[in-house]
Amino acid sequence: EPEVTQTPSHQVTQMGQEVILRCVPISNHLYFYWYRQILGQKVEFLVSFYNNEISEKSEIFDDQFSVERPDGSNFTLKIRSTKLEDSAMYFCASSDPWTFSNQPQHFGDGTRLSIL
Amino acid sequence: GNSVTQMEGPVTLSEEAFLTINCTYTATGYPSLFWYVQYPGEGLQLLLKATKADDKGSNKGFEATYRKETTSFHLEKGSVQVSDSAVYFCARMDSSYKLIFGSGTRLLVRP
Repeated sequence: EPEVTQTPSHQVTQMGQEVILRCVPISNHLYFYWYRQILGQKVEFLVSFYNNEISEKSEIFDDQFSVERPDGSNFTLKIRSTKLEDSAMYFCASSDPWTFSNQPQHFGDGTRLSIL
Repeated sequence: GNSVTQMEGPVTLSEEAFLTINCTYTATGYPSLFWYVQYPGEGLQLLLKATKADDKGSNKGFEATYRKETTSFHLEKGSVQVSDSAVYFCARMDSSYKLIFGSGTRLLVRP
């Protein structure tokens, strides 16, 4: 079964540094998402992306965050100047636009981001 | 507002016990509802879903029925196993197709 893959599985970064989290969505999917989960808390929506632009973003997704689909396969989340509170598990997801209600997003295994 | 509320955990059960994890939602209309499971150290996996009222989603012995009267989607399993120990997230889809998750309920099953 096709999978969403995320790299790296764990990223440790100094506060104030830039970090890029990478995702390879399922190949025929057209909608892409980033969610995050602070340790022990709920999974929160960050941003959705379709047709090379952001469809929706949450309040969490401020000017420090950006997303990009640089080629036909990768989908990246960039945090320009990381803060301690950015420490979380970041999940990428993708979905097939024709089966939204029946088959929602497929999730990757996540990247654990630790800010020191 | 639009939200998903789950019972707080952890829920600790003995093997073969009956499981219920409560979930209620608030939304306009009748959103699709889901249960996701997160095993230790892993990502989110879709466990089951229901897309309209009175639908019953089922998978791996787990069931949940979409009840519009009570706006609930409680997760049940008749006989849990140690391998079911995980965090379970209830979720609904909103009008823009993103998922709104509950806070998660940790299940610990003891032999």
